[in-house]
Amino acid sequence: DAGVIQSPRHEVTEMGQEVTLRCKPISGHDYLFWYRQTMMRGLELLIYFNNNVPIDDSGMPEDRFSAKMPNASFSTLKIQPSEPRDSAVYFCASSFLGPDTEAFFGQGTRLTVV
Amino acid sequence: RKEVEQDPGPFNVPEGATVAFNCTYSNSASQSFFWYRQDCRKEPKLLMSVYSSGNEDGRFTAQLNRASQYISLLIRDSKLSDSATYLCVVNRHNQGGKLIFGQGTELSVKP
Repeated sequence: DAGVIQSPRHEVTEMGQEVTLRCKPISGHDYLFWYRQTMMRGLELLIYFNNNVPIDDSGMPEDRFSAKMPNASFSTLKIQPSEPRDSAVYFCASSFLGPDTEAFFGQGTRLTVV
Repeated sequence: RKEVEQDPGPFNVPEGATVAFNCTYSNSASQSFFWYRQDCRKEPKLLMSVYSSGNEDGRFTAQLNRASQYISLLIRDSKLSDSATYLCVVNRHNQGGKLIFGQGTELSVKP
């Protein structure tokens, strides 16, 4: 298995533009997580899905952020409009629920909003 | 107050030293516990799970104290390659597998 695949790896965009981050989880995993990491706040959970259904989006900062999971092999995180304070590394992770659930992370998307 | 708290460090230690990291969690409903490792500009990866009875994996020992809501990681005979950020993680099964990460503790092992 190739692991969790995220694209793009790097994104530089201007303030006000729409940004779409993409994630392909590991096949067979039923949980998908979107995290954001900054120096100031560390790794923050934004939203997670179980069997393609959003379970908890309480970490989504505001209405400018939205996430979808149209099928078991694909998810998107969209920011519209983007702002400089959205600059961060965005990680997608997937897992298969069990007593000791390991989350496998993608390599992340480094977003810079100028 | 953050749900999972760690000393951010950095911990600067010489090769061969023993170093211990601590972590506290605030939600008593937490049921599974882990240590993840994150190298600079890389993604987090699972280092080890933490069991109630304590567990060891080579030079690494993890301990859990449910009564005090406290988790620890001990690294013996530290290597240069141990330099990384160590993340304490809790999983609340009653929230369907939601993983909560601490801020991480940075370790730098010097020759």
